[in-house]
Amino acid sequence: DTEVTQTPKHLVMGMTNKKSLKCEQHMGHRAMYWYKQKAKKPPELMFVYSYEKLSINESVPSRFSPECPNSSLLNLHLHALQPEDSALYLCASSPLLGPAVSSYEQYFGPGTRLTVT
Amino acid sequence: AQKITQTQPGMFVQEKEAVTLDCTYDTSDPSYGLFWYKQPSSGEMIFLIYQGSYDQQNATEGRYSLNFQKARKSANLVISASQLGDSAMYFCAMRPPGGKLIFGQGTELSVKP
Repeated sequence: DTEVTQTPKHLVMGMTNKKSLKCEQHMGHRAMYWYKQKAKKPPELMFVYSYEKLSINESVPSRFSPECPNSSLLNLHLHALQPEDSALYLCASSPLLGPAVSSYEQYFGPGTRLTVT
Repeated sequence: AQKITQTQPGMFVQEKEAVTLDCTYDTSDPSYGLFWYKQPSSGEMIFLIYQGSYDQQNATEGRYSLNFQKARKSANLVISASQLGDSAMYFCAMRPPGGKLIFGQGTELSVKP
């Protein structure tokens, strides 16, 4: 099973709302990722968790707040977003994150299409 | 600097024909992985094929094969017998050891009936 699930599939929120995106994998992977993707562009890395600890934050604004409650779950909490934050948000996982694992492909979820009004 | 270049923003192919999507990369690391992902309009990034920098043979997965030319730093994707369902965005990506996945700009493939 190489499935990564994401909920919700679509989300429309106002600039004053608070919402959360959820991601789940049951492959025993210890690295999980959040990406932001604009239409017709490659994904941009936002955060990486390794063994449930934040490993990489790509200078993402604080209105995006990641959380990894356990090894299977990854959340992205959203607050006071701007219209330019509208995008497809992809979650991914890989077995590990480390120097000897260049072969470990990332498995992506179907994404959440976020629209900020 | 590590970089992936896909020079074809869009391509058309006739159904049942083969098509090659170009990808060149730049890295000074001797060890790296090369990947191709397919992204249909639904949004999901689907892993297609992987090639390690030390692999002697070109990777193949069903109708997908990766034409790996290490000296030229190219990793082209070949799709044989194109199907209508192959219409999608295709991303080439590279991962150095312990590093982040670096994506190219993508190629939008349209398969004509």
